[in-house]
Amino acid sequence: DGGITQSPKYLFRKEGQNVTLSCEQNLNHDAMYWYRQDPGQGLRLIYYSQIVNDFQKGDIAEGYSVSREKKESFPLTVTSAQKNPTAFYLCASSRSDGITSDTQYFGPGTRLLVL
Amino acid sequence: QKEVEQNSGPLSVPEGAIASLNCTYSDRGSQSFFWYRQYSGKSPELIMSIYSNGDKEDGRFTAQLNKASQYVSLLIRDSQPSDSATYLCAVNKTGRRALTFGSGTRLQVQP
Repeated sequence: DGGITQSPKYLFRKEGQNVTLSCEQNLNHDAMYWYRQDPGQGLRLIYYSQIVNDFQKGDIAEGYSVSREKKESFPLTVTSAQKNPTAFYLCASSRSDGITSDTQYFGPGTRLLVL
Repeated sequence: QKEVEQNSGPLSVPEGAIASLNCTYSDRGSQSFFWYRQYSGKSPELIMSIYSNGDKEDGRFTAQLNKASQYVSLLIRDSQPSDSATYLCAVNKTGRRALTFGSGTRLQVQP
């Protein structure tokens, strides 16, 4: 069953703590993305990666870091430098071969809360 | 000016009516346009994609694109209570594969 999985579903962060959100896909997609969604707002791009071992900052990358060591995996670390991390985090993936490759499919999301 | 603008709503329509959702975008070089539906607490799911001027129909949904006016819309015919959700418009930015999203329009279909 192909798709995108994110874990955990809920994550609690203490002050000064780094936390890592997992995103895995078995769709054989080259490109992966991380978005943040705050209540009542649209999605804002944090980081994206078009190929393994390469990634680019999005619009709100400060306080976040990513890695792309495998095609299937694109973990996001929320560092202590991110002062307002409470949000719904969404991972997405897409193909990378032509105009229709912009179609992105989303995982179920991780809700991050600060204790 | 926001890169992708949507009326936040709520847009309220009676069951069986046509719901019309609108979106404008600022980047004239954009080529890919998407509508996603998002239920409360869930992740967005793709409804329609459109790449050329004109209409594209899929079941009860019709996407309309007018690149000259930088306008894309979604029509939902025979609206059902299960269509009640937030609808997100997304557009690609020139030179960047990642999508730019509007803040969404909340649709309420009244039984």
